Amino acid sequence: GNSVTQMEGPVTLSEEAFLTINCTYTATGYPSLFWYVQYPGEGLQLLLKATKADDKGSNKGFEATYRKETTSFHLEKGSVQVSDSAVYFCALSSRAGGTSYGKLTFGQGTILTVHP
Amino acid sequence: EAGVTQFPSHSVIEKGQTVTLRCDPISGHDNLYWYRRVMGKEIKFLLHFVKESKQDESGMPNNRFLAERTGGTYSTLKVQPAELEDSGVYFCASSQEWGWNTGELFFGEGSRLTVL
Repeated sequence: GNSVTQMEGPVTLSEEAFLTINCTYTATGYPSLFWYVQYPGEGLQLLLKATKADDKGSNKGFEATYRKETTSFHLEKGSVQVSDSAVYFCALSSRAGGTSYGKLTFGQGTILTVHP
Repeated sequence: EAGVTQFPSHSVIEKGQTVTLRCDPISGHDNLYWYRRVMGKEIKFLLHFVKESKQDESGMPNNRFLAERTGGTYSTLKVQPAELEDSGVYFCASSQEWGWNTGELFFGEGSRLTVL
């Protein structure tokens, strides 16, 4: 079956530090990959996505590259801000096996705290 | 435009009682999903509605859980009778469409359920 593994948290950084949150996956077929973010008091929202190998998703200074050879989709940002403090979820969607669209498989989430 | 709204935000009940969670999706979104996050673990898929029909309910844990979507608008998720292991955060999400390359789910803030 499908699975997503994220690096253990929480992650605590100082403002302007470099961020990497590791994500690896196991999936049948050719999945689409996503990063969702949940800010305090809000619902999850899509941060970025990639739908095929070597695609790079990017948004708000965050980037992630779909690496089929290493089955990874690591999230990176060159200079974090206090406002980036949130919970980050890596997820995949695979149509293989007749599963329905919208059936996302999530990682366990990584709490990021950025201090001034 | 209003986002996905969920009610209640937090519910505390005794084991054996009944709880009903409600979700109002974004207007015009035919697809509605329920997910659950238990004890800080990964978010897991419960089921998917397309309008009023259940497209995929493979993630429903057991027959104590009943989901409905009357008239293809709002949805309810009833847990009866509740058990301790049902505690967690229940997320609702909606989408206008879900294509292989375009899908994005819009999530509510979640309903936290505590079973004592």
